[in-house]
Amino acid sequence: DAKTTQPPSMDCAEGRAANLPCNHSTISGNEYVYWYRQIHSQGPQYIIHGLKNNETNEMASLIITEDRKSSTLILPHATLRDTAVYYCTSRGSGGSYIPTFGRGTSLIVHP
Amino acid sequence: DTAVSQTPKYLVTQMGNDKSIKCEQNLGHDTMYWYKQDSKKFLKIMFSYNNKELIINETVPNRFSPKSPDKAHLNLHINSLELGDSAVYFCASSQGTANQPQHFGDGTRLSIL
Repeated sequence: DAKTTQPPSMDCAEGRAANLPCNHSTISGNEYVYWYRQIHSQGPQYIIHGLKNNETNEMASLIITEDRKSSTLILPHATLRDTAVYYCTSRGSGGSYIPTFGRGTSLIVHP
Repeated sequence: DTAVSQTPKYLVTQMGNDKSIKCEQNLGHDTMYWYKQDSKKFLKIMFSYNNKELIINETVPNRFSPKSPDKAHLNLHINSLELGDSAVYFCASSQGTANQPQHFGDGTRLSIL
């Protein structure tokens, strides 16, 4: 199971893009990269995931490097409500796979 | 429409008591999980069930006993509660264990006096 590392904190101005990096250098070929966020006192919320290709949905974009050793979550126009802890995690197939969450990145969006 | 719901939301009890937390999902998923988030905010997997079968049991004391009566429910019973059990417990579900995201409940905040 790949271990992920993220910066402990970042900040971003409202309306600007927030780019959150994640290193997952030990990721294996069948492991997906997942991003979740946790807004204070709520349960983690799924944002986006990908295997090899870049992905985009209504919440964010996910850019995965060609060697798959790192990825970046992009919130194109951050709002104050995007202030949260963002977790990057990997997930493979198989019932014995153990999902792990690191410390995440605490993103503060300021006016 | 709450997708993953946990009850109770708050649980305050004394050391040594036995308590249960219930979790239900209405997403039709076949896999459910229990996580513990401690005061340092680490989110750690405790158990996972797939189609009512236990597939992950992560070095959790045997005072913790999960029960899955059907695919939509995964309850957590805790015997002889200790101070160190104080945490937020999250239930989650997913379809399968690979390329489908997990959906989390809003947590149960357990405080041991």
